[in-house]
Amino acid sequence: GAVVSQHPSRVICKSGTSVKIECRSLDFQATTMFWYRQFPKQSLMLMATSNEGSKATYEQGVEKDKFLINHASLTLSTLTVTSAHPEDSSFYICSASWTSGDTDTQYFGPGTRLTVL
Amino acid sequence: GENVEQHPSTLSVQEGDSAVIKCTYSDSASNYFPWYKQELGKGPQLIIDIRSNVGEKKDQRIAVTLNKTAKHFSLHITETQPEDSAVYFCAASRGGYQKVTFGTGTKLQVIP
Repeated sequence: GAVVSQHPSRVICKSGTSVKIECRSLDFQATTMFWYRQFPKQSLMLMATSNEGSKATYEQGVEKDKFLINHASLTLSTLTVTSAHPEDSSFYICSASWTSGDTDTQYFGPGTRLTVL
Repeated sequence: GENVEQHPSTLSVQEGDSAVIKCTYSDSASNYFPWYKQELGKGPQLIIDIRSNVGEKKDQRIAVTLNKTAKHFSLHITETQPEDSAVYFCAASRGGYQKVTFGTGTKLQVIP
């Protein structure tokens, strides 16, 4: 149990275009999902906390108008990178926590490799 | 906010030996400490976690210890195998949907 999927696994896009990444909890409901960014050989940096039915909470320094987050259901959160530029190239990873029971543990998706040309 | 430091950044051990990774945290309100294993190009995988009401937890070859007074916790892997080679991250959280702060990672190499 506690499987999180992401789609797509990798995407290459041109500078100036927008890219949408989906994060799904496959076998559990997740009130809260988290979006991280990881640069090569670095740790995971939290970008935002996504709550079902409400606005996301962004970490300091993360542009909310550039990284649009929508958490429309208890099993799906999306991250849209708008007007992507080469410096947005990174590994984007989502995680999800159970709605009830063990709400401490975060289960991570496999990540999405974004390359902006 | 929380700050998690992790050492060493790289660790090479012979197959069969033990590996120890140490972390310290700064927020005394943190009460949940997970450890993740990340293989190249993949998302982190939870391997073990410990909560502040417990001092030690073991799962087969993996054990974690927690010293709340000193604010440090450690991961111990015994009888290491080549498939243990990966990057390991410690993390700390206040639990219950609160954000998780990650350490800087340890690249473990197990030499056959």
